[in-house]
Amino acid sequence: SAVISQKPSRDICQRGTSLTIQCQVDSQVTMMFWYRQQPGQSLTLIATANQGSEATYESGFVIDKFPISRPNLTFSTLTVSNMSPEDSSIYLCSVERGGAKDTQYFGPGTRLTVL
Amino acid sequence: GENVEQHPSTLSVQEGDSAVIKCTYSDSASNYFPWYKQELGKGPQLIIDIRSNVGEKKDQRIAVTLNKTAKHFSLHITETQPEDSAVYFCAASPKGGGFKTIFGAGTRLFVKA
Repeated sequence: SAVISQKPSRDICQRGTSLTIQCQVDSQVTMMFWYRQQPGQSLTLIATANQGSEATYESGFVIDKFPISRPNLTFSTLTVSNMSPEDSSIYLCSVERGGAKDTQYFGPGTRLTVL
Repeated sequence: GENVEQHPSTLSVQEGDSAVIKCTYSDSASNYFPWYKQELGKGPQLIIDIRSNVGEKKDQRIAVTLNKTAKHFSLHITETQPEDSAVYFCAASPKGGGFKTIFGAGTRLFVKA
């Protein structure tokens, strides 16, 4: 498995501000993923972050709104920029690991409320 | 692209009974099917997975079955306990990688003591 930590665990922010979420993994991984989970909903992939390259964003998500950094093989950040109440969600970091490199493990999530 | 449908959205069972959650997928290229359990305030936790070269897999009280012809797979929990109460997500991956894993909408399971 993988031990994944996220900071902060939760935050309440004012609209128009930005929040950076950190994700730390206990060992090196090639691919890291950022998901959004709106209240009572399923998981939606925001972007895939590989170390040393630009993140790949899914349809509906743009770099200006959700800039991602991946400075090394154990760490990544997701910034939620110029926040509005619609950004209130759980943001989850995930890594891929396993013999077939297809098993995904999730962090505990960051619960964001935008007022 | 892949589409995963999950039923039921809510399931309530008596402690000790069995619970079954069903998922269907659309992309015949999908070959990896994990199940996650998400407790309140926590991230999803992988509980069991199955690959397309296997029809059934069991781990203690949890089992998963896969029917590739019909493109559906199911999670079976036997002898349910109150601590099984959580949201369960199925997922399908179109290749041997987490990239583009598609998740079902989730099933909220209540186990009544």
